[in-house]
Amino acid sequence: DGGITQSPKYLFRKEGQNVTLSCEQNLNHDAMYWYRQDPGQGLRLIYYSQIVNDFQKGDIAEGYSVSREKKESFPLTVTSAQKNPTAFYLCASSMDGTGRTAFFGQGTRLTVV
Amino acid sequence: EDQVTQSPEALRLQEGESSSLNCSYTVSGLRGLFWYRQDPGKGPEFLFTLYSAGEEKEKERLKATLTKKESFLHITAPKPEDSATYLCAVLISGSARQLTFGSGTQLTVLP
Repeated sequence: DGGITQSPKYLFRKEGQNVTLSCEQNLNHDAMYWYRQDPGQGLRLIYYSQIVNDFQKGDIAEGYSVSREKKESFPLTVTSAQKNPTAFYLCASSMDGTGRTAFFGQGTRLTVV
Repeated sequence: EDQVTQSPEALRLQEGESSSLNCSYTVSGLRGLFWYRQDPGKGPEFLFTLYSAGEEKEKERLKATLTKKESFLHITAPKPEDSATYLCAVLISGSARQLTFGSGTQLTVLP
C-alpha cells in the first residue's frame, strides 16, 4: 500500500540532545513537508522540499534541520537549539509541490524529559 | 496578513443533529481550500478540495461549500464515528506552495 511512514510514533528527548524523526513515502511524490502541531493550534510549517537536494524554511524553522538526499525520505532533526520541542510532528507529501491534496503520516509525538 | 479562522472551536451534537462548521479566510489570493479530518493521535486525512466560489463537494454525510470569504462543512445526520477534529487549510497565490491551516473544530457526536 502506498503511503507515508513516520517513525518512531513516540520519542523522548533529554535536554540538550538532538533527535531525528524519520519520514518515508512510497507515493513517488516530489514535495514533502514537516509540520508541528501544538494543542489547540493549527499545523505550522517547519520545512518543505519540492525536489531532491533542495529545501526551504517554513514559518518556524529555528532549531530544526532537514535533508532531502532521496526522493522517498525527508528526515527532520530537532536540535538542542529548539527551546520548546515537545509537540506532535507531522510529515506530509504532495504530488506536484503545490500543496494540493497533501497526504499525511501518522505523526511522531516528541516529549522532552 | 493572511489568516484562516475556524469556528466554533468545539461543537457537541446529538446523533442525527445536523450542523455546520465554518472556515473564514482573509488571504491575498486563494488557489484552493482544503478540508481534513483528524482523529486523536493520528495524522490528518484529506476530505475535500475547493477551488472557486460556488463550488460544492460531498462525501457521505459531509458537504463542503465555498464562497469568496468562507467555507462551510455541513454535517447531515451525524453519527458518533464522525467525532473528530476538522481542519481547514488554504493554498495562497505566491505562498511558495505551502498550506496555511486554521486551528480546527473539535466535533463530538453523542449517541
